[in-house]
Amino acid sequence: DIQMTQSPSSLSASVGDRVTITCRASQTIRSYLNWYQQKPGKAPQLLIYAASSLQSGVPSRFSGSGSGTDFTLTISSLQPEDLAIYYCQQSYSTPWTFGQGTKMEIK
Amino acid sequence: QVQLQESGPGLVEPSQTLSLTCIVSGGSISSGSYYWTWIRQPAGKGLEWIGRFYISGTTNYNPSLKSRVTISGDTSKNQFSLKLSSVTAADTAVYYCARMNSIGNSGNDAFDIWGQGTMVTVSA
Repeated sequence: DIQMTQSPSSLSASVGDRVTITCRASQTIRSYLNWYQQKPGKAPQLLIYAASSLQSGVPSRFSGSGSGTDFTLTISSLQPEDLAIYYCQQSYSTPWTFGQGTKMEIK
Repeated sequence: QVQLQESGPGLVEPSQTLSLTCIVSGGSISSGSYYWTWIRQPAGKGLEWIGRFYISGTTNYNPSLKSRVTISGDTSKNQFSLKLSSVTAADTAVYYCARMNSIGNSGNDAFDIWGQGTMVTVSA
């Protein structure tokens, strides 16, 4: 199985801050990398697919980059509604696997 | 728009079979464009992909669960189902159904639509 490792595990930032979450794959996954946001008590929602493509309806402050084994999710200006856990997920090979999550807290 | 809704018992006894159904509305599982999948999340933990179903009948399962899992579809009811046998407390989790879609012809599949999730507890 491909292991996905996110860092940091938790992050506290202020409204308006630029924040970055990192995801590393245990082997190359080219650009087969997706990012999800899970708000408290809700199902995950797709934010970014194919490493850098913004899903329809997602605010433009979210962006993704990377290829191979190293990827980043960036929020350009953190908003109160961004309180959530963020997961990366590889779709390069089955079994599809997720990172352990990064918990975003608002100061 | 397409919506998914999980249904099934919230409590299952150890060693029994967990059975859940995902009802699809606003779209058809017979569409050849999507895989229909199950994902679970133990309380306070991360996400685990269980398996996927394609309308041709093709299925793929997580090797960690493969011996206990069956995913199938019912086109007449526009729904698909999960059966997980010989459950233990370790199978206690929120179970999500989700659509897997190759968005924008990127060749990359992503879970683009999710159900709200259903909590299943394994306990006597």
